[in-house]
Order: sequence, then C-alpha cells, then structure tokens
Amino acid sequence: GQQVMQIPQYQHVQEGEDFTTYCNSSTTLSNIQWYKQRPGGHPVFLIQLVKSGEVKKQKRLTFQFGEAKKNSSLHITATQTTDVGTYFCAALPFGNEKLTFGTGTRLTIIP
Amino acid sequence: DVKVTQSSRYLVKRTGEKVFLECVQDMDHENMFWYRQDPGLGLRLIYFSYDVKMKEKGDIPEGYSVSREKKERFSLILESASTNQTSMYLCASRPLPSDRDAGELFFGEGSRLTVL
Repeated sequence: GQQVMQIPQYQHVQEGEDFTTYCNSSTTLSNIQWYKQRPGGHPVFLIQLVKSGEVKKQKRLTFQFGEAKKNSSLHITATQTTDVGTYFCAALPFGNEKLTFGTGTRLTIIP
Repeated sequence: DVKVTQSSRYLVKRTGEKVFLECVQDMDHENMFWYRQDPGLGLRLIYFSYDVKMKEKGDIPEGYSVSREKKERFSLILESASTNQTSMYLCASRPLPSDRDAGELFFGEGSRLTVL
C-alpha cells in the first residue's frame, strides 16, 4: 500500500537557523498537503501542492513538490519560537481519495 | 468560524468497555474521517465516510466501527476497548474533493483515550 516517509523525525535548531523536512512517497502523487500541529493542538492545514516542480511560499516557509511528484519538502528560513510544532505531509495518490499522512517532523527551537 | 467538535477531550475506560467518540462539524462537509495519532507513527486513518450512511475502512479499522446517521455527525465506536487502543483520536472533515483539489482537512481538538 501507499507509504509516506518523512524525515527527520526530530529536529532541534537554534532560533534563527533554517529548518527543512522532507517527505517521500513510494508512488506518484496527485497532490500533497502540509499541516502544522502546535504542542497540545490539532493539525492545521498549511498548503496544497498540485503541479510537478511547484514551489509555493508563505512568508518564511517554502514548499516544493518534486518533478516526479513523489517527494516534497518544507523549508523554514530563520526559525522563530512560533515555528515550534510537528509538521506533517499528507499525500494523495492518483485515483485515491485517501490522504496518507507522513510520520511527522517535530521541530523544537532553542532560544 | 468553521468548527469540528469532539465530544470528549479526555476519557479513561477499562478493558472491555464499549466506548463512543462523537464528532460534529458545522460546515456541511460531505467527507468525515477518524484518525488515531501515536508517537512516531503519525496520523493513521481508521475509517472515513463519504456521505451519510456511507463508510469505508481506512488503514487500521480492526477493533473499531463507525456510524454516520446524519451529515454533521460521525461517531467512532470501540466495541470492547483494549489497552492497545490507548491513543489520541482525531476527527476531521472536508468538502468534496475535485480532480485538482484534495480538499483541506479541518480537525477537531482530539480525544485522548486511556484504556486501563
């Protein structure tokens, strides 16, 4: 079945450093979504990527969808304490309505 | 403001008890989902529902059942709770997806279940 690997599982960075999480699928995807879950909270939608090679930006966050539509990344520039949380990718294979979530990357910030 | 409401934030049950987790959404969404979240395993889909009275098994349906009698309400049932069902349970809803849009998932606050 569909497998979605997300790395790293944990990331500790100094405030102001950059952060990247990667998501890899075993199958070609129709699209991919990213969610953020703050500590003690629930996942909240960040963005959806649909096109091969697509790049989208939200302030300090940059999202990329691979050319082969099998991988994606989320990059945060100059992290802030408000970026703390777990970031999940959610992959949608072609011909399937079920989103499969990655295992998540938990980001902690050292002030 | 859109809302997905889960009936209980915290529950403690004993092995063998029947457990009901309720979820209500006020966005008139067709699709509803139940996930469980465990450390290191991410969110795993238990069951989902395309519409009223329709349900589909997710990736880990064993030991669970669901009910969707009304569009706004999706219930998760543990017929006989076991300790390995101790987890955080998250309900979500979304509008009908299209070819290019999988549809944003709106999550509830979660229900943390402990089975003793």
